[in-house]
Amino acid sequence: KAGVTQTPRYLIKTRGQQVTLSCSPISGHRSVSWYQQTPGQGLQFLFEYFSETQRNKGNFPGRFSGRQFSNSRSEMNVSTLELGDSALYLCASSLASGSGELFFGEGSRLTVL
Amino acid sequence: GENVEQHPSTLSVQEGDSAVIKCTYSDSASNYFPWYKQELGKRPQLIIDIRSNVGEKKDQRIAVTLNKTAKHFSLHITETQPEDSAVYFCAARNSGYSTLTFGKGTMLLVSP
Repeated sequence: KAGVTQTPRYLIKTRGQQVTLSCSPISGHRSVSWYQQTPGQGLQFLFEYFSETQRNKGNFPGRFSGRQFSNSRSEMNVSTLELGDSALYLCASSLASGSGELFFGEGSRLTVL
Repeated sequence: GENVEQHPSTLSVQEGDSAVIKCTYSDSASNYFPWYKQELGKRPQLIIDIRSNVGEKKDQRIAVTLNKTAKHFSLHITETQPEDSAVYFCAARNSGYSTLTFGKGTMLLVSP
């Protein structure tokens, strides 16, 4: 069974631009969560989607948004990029919302110049 | 919301020694406490978890203990090996809230 797949793996943007990251969960998993990982801050929760609905949202500005499609694939978008948005963005899937183990992807490393 | 504090931020041990990482949580309704290991450049992976109805769980060289009264839980690694070197994250989840809240991580360095 294929694991969680995130694309792109690496990307470089400049301030003010926007970016879209994609996540394909493990087959059969319906919940997708997104986390931002930065040195010293650990894994900070962005949002969670289940059955195309946002279940929970972390404490991030409205520039961060996401969505989930009927096939459970998810995308997150960051608009008007700032230098502080440089981070590793991790997607994780699970069978159901609030249930069991999270399976993480390799992440998308975003650098904002 | 839930807040998880993790200590220490870095831990250096000699091969064969034991390592202990401690976490505290704020929400007394939290009932699920996993630990994830992230090797350099790799994805975080679950290594062990514990639910609030038990006080201790072991899996070979790793164990987790939970003290619900004090709202803290710990990861114990015995007979450490160089391949145990990684960043370890603790997390907590409230039964009524689906999100996992993570600690800031502990970088464990095991020297041969």
